[in-house]
Amino acid sequence: DAGVIQSPRHEVTEMGQEVTLRCKPISGHNSLFWYRQTMMRGLELLIYFNNNVPIDDSGMPEDRFSAKMPNASFSTLKIQPSEPRDSAVYFCASSLGRGSTDTQYFGPGTRLTVL
Amino acid sequence: TQLLEQSPQFLSIQEGENLTVYCNSSSVFSSLQWYRQEPGEGPVLLVTVVTGGEVKKLKRLTFQFGDARKDSSLHITAAQTGDTGLYLCAGAFGNFGNEKLTFGTGTRLTIIP
Repeated sequence: DAGVIQSPRHEVTEMGQEVTLRCKPISGHNSLFWYRQTMMRGLELLIYFNNNVPIDDSGMPEDRFSAKMPNASFSTLKIQPSEPRDSAVYFCASSLGRGSTDTQYFGPGTRLTVL
Repeated sequence: TQLLEQSPQFLSIQEGENLTVYCNSSSVFSSLQWYRQEPGEGPVLLVTVVTGGEVKKLKRLTFQFGDARKDSSLHITAAQTGDTGLYLCAGAFGNFGNEKLTFGTGTRLTIIP
């Protein structure tokens, strides 16, 4: 299996621009998670989906962030407009189920830099 | 908000030595996971502990979940350079089947050859 695939791996953009991060979960997995990792705040859960439906988006920082999962094999995280404080590594993860003991498999991440 | 504090934040030791890192919280978790993350990659799950007092061994790594399910430790015996990485603990909380993971602050471990 190819594992969780994220694109792009690196993104550099200017403040105010729209940024779209993409994720392809492991085939057959029913849950998908978006995380953000920074030195200051560590790894934070932004939103997670189960069977393509958003279950909990309480970690989404503000309205500038939105996430979609149009089908079982694709999800996007969009930031519009982007700000320098959004600079971080964004991870997508997927798991078979939605329970805490279900193993989450992380993608390699997208390193976002907003200038 | 559930907070997980890990200590030490940084640890650098010689190959062959033993070490222990800690994960502490004031909250009770339904389960706790340990991950290792290498530069440029996502975290990889090492172990999940569920029962208070549970001990799990993974080769040279020993994981323990506190009796009250508020803390955990990871002990590495005879550390090797391949153990270098960022170690993250993550506690699960919420309703059964709908738990969320809260990640700790991490311990960055460097094994010196």
